[in-house]
Amino acid sequence: EIVLTQSPATLSLSPGERATLSCRASQSLSIYLAWYQQKPGQAPRLLIYDASNRATGIPARFSGSGSGTDFTLTISSLEPEDSAVYYCQQRSTWPLTFGGGTKVEIK
Amino acid sequence: EVQLVQSGAEVKKPGESLKISCKGSGYSFTTYWIGWVRQVPGKGLEWMGIIFPGNSDTRYCPSFRGQVSISADTSITTAYLQWSSLKASDTAIYYCARGGTIAAGGTFDYWGRGSLVTVSS
Repeated sequence: EIVLTQSPATLSLSPGERATLSCRASQSLSIYLAWYQQKPGQAPRLLIYDASNRATGIPARFSGSGSGTDFTLTISSLEPEDSAVYYCQQRSTWPLTFGGGTKVEIK
Repeated sequence: EVQLVQSGAEVKKPGESLKISCKGSGYSFTTYWIGWVRQVPGKGLEWMGIIFPGNSDTRYCPSFRGQVSISADTSITTAYLQWSSLKASDTAIYYCARGGTIAAGGTFDYWGRGSLVTVSS
């Protein structure tokens, strides 16, 4: 089973600042990594698929990069509504796995 | 519009059986995987398993294999998650999500709103 390790666990930033979230895999995923956003009381929402492709309707301030074992989700300029937990998830190998999540707090 | 509509909240006793549902609409039900994801309140997401309704190909996370059963009825475009004997530790929110085409499965682009299952004596 591929283990995904997300860091940091919590990120506290001000509106307008840049957020950089990391996801590291225990073995190579090629590009088969997705990012999701989950707000309290809501289902997760797909942000990025296959490492760098924005899902439909996702604002341009969200971007993904990386390949192999190291991936990054960047929020270029934080908005108050970006307060959420962000999860990475791999589809390279069964079983599918999720990372433990990074909580983004807006000061 | 793609929609996944899940069945409502359930309260069960340990040892009871349960089957929850996820009805897909607005897309070709037989050409996309549907997955199930567990979330214990306050915790992270756990992938449980996935089914391709077009040919019933089903994959399970080893942690959940033998504990749950995933199925689908293409005639009513509905996927199911089933337990034969619930435990208190099954208390969680269960999400269904559309999981991509057969060749590119595993990315969840549409999600249901979740079904809360509470198991308590």
